[in-house]
Amino acid sequence: GNSVTQMEGPVTLSEEAFLTINCTYTATGYPSLFWYVQYPGEGLQLLLKATKADDKGSNKGFEATYRKETTSFHLEKGSVQVSDSAVYFCALRVGGGSNYKLTFGKGTLLTVNP
Amino acid sequence: ETGVTQTPRHLVMGMTNKKSLKCEQHLGHNAMYWYKQSAKKPLELMFVYNFKEQTENNSVPSRFSPECPNSSHLFLHLHTLQPEDSALYLCASSQEILAGGGETQYFGPGTRLLVL
Repeated sequence: GNSVTQMEGPVTLSEEAFLTINCTYTATGYPSLFWYVQYPGEGLQLLLKATKADDKGSNKGFEATYRKETTSFHLEKGSVQVSDSAVYFCALRVGGGSNYKLTFGKGTLLTVNP
Repeated sequence: ETGVTQTPRHLVMGMTNKKSLKCEQHLGHNAMYWYKQSAKKPLELMFVYNFKEQTENNSVPSRFSPECPNSSHLFLHLHTLQPEDSALYLCASSQEILAGGGETQYFGPGTRLLVL
């Protein structure tokens, strides 16, 4: 089956620190990969995505590269801000047929201190 | 604001109650989804509707009953729930469901449900 494993949180950083949240996956087919973010009291928002190997998704200073050889999609940001404090979810979807399921990791809570 | 609204935002119900959750999307999308988000567990897909037709029921107990009267509205009818059903229920929509799986889903803020 399909699964997503992301690093356990919580992650606590100081403002302007470098962020990496690891995400690896297993998939029965060729997946599209996503990072979603959930701010306190809100629903999930798409942060970035990549639909084929070696693609780099980027948004708001965050980046992630689809690495097929290591089945990974690690999220990075060079300088975090307090406003980046949220829960981050890695997810995948394998297309084709009647498989509509978006498979999520458990989420990683990020807290950025001033 | 993602264009997907959910009501109510919070709900407390007893195990013998009947209640409904409502989701509305203002994005002109054709696919809608219900997810369950429990503490310390990954989000679980419950139901998918594509062009108002239910295309997936992810082994959800019958005490949860979805309804999609049109492409903009999605309901989740709740009946005789259990305390373990307490969770955040998220609605999402997408323009379509792509064969390659790369469509973006837009989520609502969720309904926080507590079953006593």
